[in-house]
Amino acid sequence: KAGVTQTPRYLIKTRGQQVTLSCSPISGHRSVSWYQQTPGQGLQFLFEYFSETQRNKGNFPGRFSGRQFSNSRSEMNVSTLELGDSALYLCASSVQTSGGETQYFGPGTRLLVL
Amino acid sequence: KQEVTQIPAALSVPEGENLVLNCSFTDSAIYNLQWFRQDPGKGLTSLLLIQSSQREQTSGRLNASLDKSSGRSTLYIAASQPGDSATYLCAVGGNTPLVFGKGTRLSVIA
Repeated sequence: KAGVTQTPRYLIKTRGQQVTLSCSPISGHRSVSWYQQTPGQGLQFLFEYFSETQRNKGNFPGRFSGRQFSNSRSEMNVSTLELGDSALYLCASSVQTSGGETQYFGPGTRLLVL
Repeated sequence: KQEVTQIPAALSVPEGENLVLNCSFTDSAIYNLQWFRQDPGKGLTSLLLIQSSQREQTSGRLNASLDKSSGRSTLYIAASQPGDSATYLCAVGGNTPLVFGKGTRLSVIA
């Protein structure tokens, strides 16, 4: 079974631009979560989507948004990029099993804002 | 607000040594605790998931324990190998999304 895929893997943008990142979950997984990872703050939760609905949202400004499509693929968008948005953006899909809910992470998209 | 702390931040050990990584959390009302491994520049790989009703989980040379009442978890790695070198993160799941510690960076020296 294919794992979580994220595109693009690397991205360079300049301040003020916007960016869209894509995540394809593991087949059959309906929940997709997004995280931002920086050296200073570690991993921080952005938002979670389940069946095309945002189920949870982290403490990030409105410049960060996301959506999920009917095939469970998800996109996140960051508008008006700032230098501090440079980070590794990780997507995870999950499914509930008898052993609990395990998250499976993609390789991430590394965003550099200049 | 849940806070997760991992100590030490970095650890260097010779090959073959047994080692323990620590994770503590402030709110004991958790559903589960998960240990992940992250290689440089890569995503996270799930190692072990412990439900709140469980005390420990084992997978190969890895054993994770959970003590909810004291807000602690440990990851025990037996007979460490250079291939174990990575950053190990613990994450706590509750009625909110996963909250991560900042990780322990492990180096196993051959």
